[in-house]
Amino acid sequence: QKEVEQDPGPLSVPEGAIVSLNCTYSNSAFQYFMWYRQYSRKGPELLMYTYSSGNKEDGRFTAQVDKSSKYISLFIRDSQPSDSATYLCAALGGSYIPTFGRGTSLIVHP
Amino acid sequence: SAVISQKPSRDICQRGTSLTIQCQVDSQVTMMFWYRQQPGQSLTLIATANQGSEATYESGFVIDKFPISRPNLTFSTLTVSNMSPEDSSIYLCSIRDRSGNTIYFGEGSWLTVV
Repeated sequence: QKEVEQDPGPLSVPEGAIVSLNCTYSNSAFQYFMWYRQYSRKGPELLMYTYSSGNKEDGRFTAQVDKSSKYISLFIRDSQPSDSATYLCAALGGSYIPTFGRGTSLIVHP
Repeated sequence: SAVISQKPSRDICQRGTSLTIQCQVDSQVTMMFWYRQQPGQSLTLIATANQGSEATYESGFVIDKFPISRPNLTFSTLTVSNMSPEDSSIYLCSIRDRSGNTIYFGEGSWLTVV
């Protein structure tokens, strides 16, 4: 079992929908959690990071961590075609090297 | 966040040749990393580039194939040696920020080996 599990999708939604992207993890030592957006053939761009449990909001994006269930979520409100990309979750704790999920491909169609 | 510049952004390389990728950061950083991302796959850590000493390689990656230099706290290079089509990937430079709590990536270098 990988330390960070993420469904690769693809997830296809209509423009304006609320998108929910999720990851689970197994290592209790993870304390910091990150979401990256990656467009085709580009480097990952950091969207949000959170520490421990709780919610963090930035514009249309909300990151949520539930350490009791080892569950990480990213919500995108009012999704746009420009949000179409691969979204990677990552976790960090103990080691200085983050563990990445395999990424979820999101397609927002007009 | 720091600005991370990678060169080249993309290249088409002949089998058997070598290519050096450069990574320049606009501020001094302690920890720099090199990742590979093969088509449709997630990120795989190649090595941690250590300033003033040899890089620390992950299992499955060796210095002869992926020599790394880190002459100072803002610059690193990764060479992909004796390339084969299996080396066609995006190669990514990344840094750990000063707080130590998150990782930033460069734009990536997309290599196609023919």
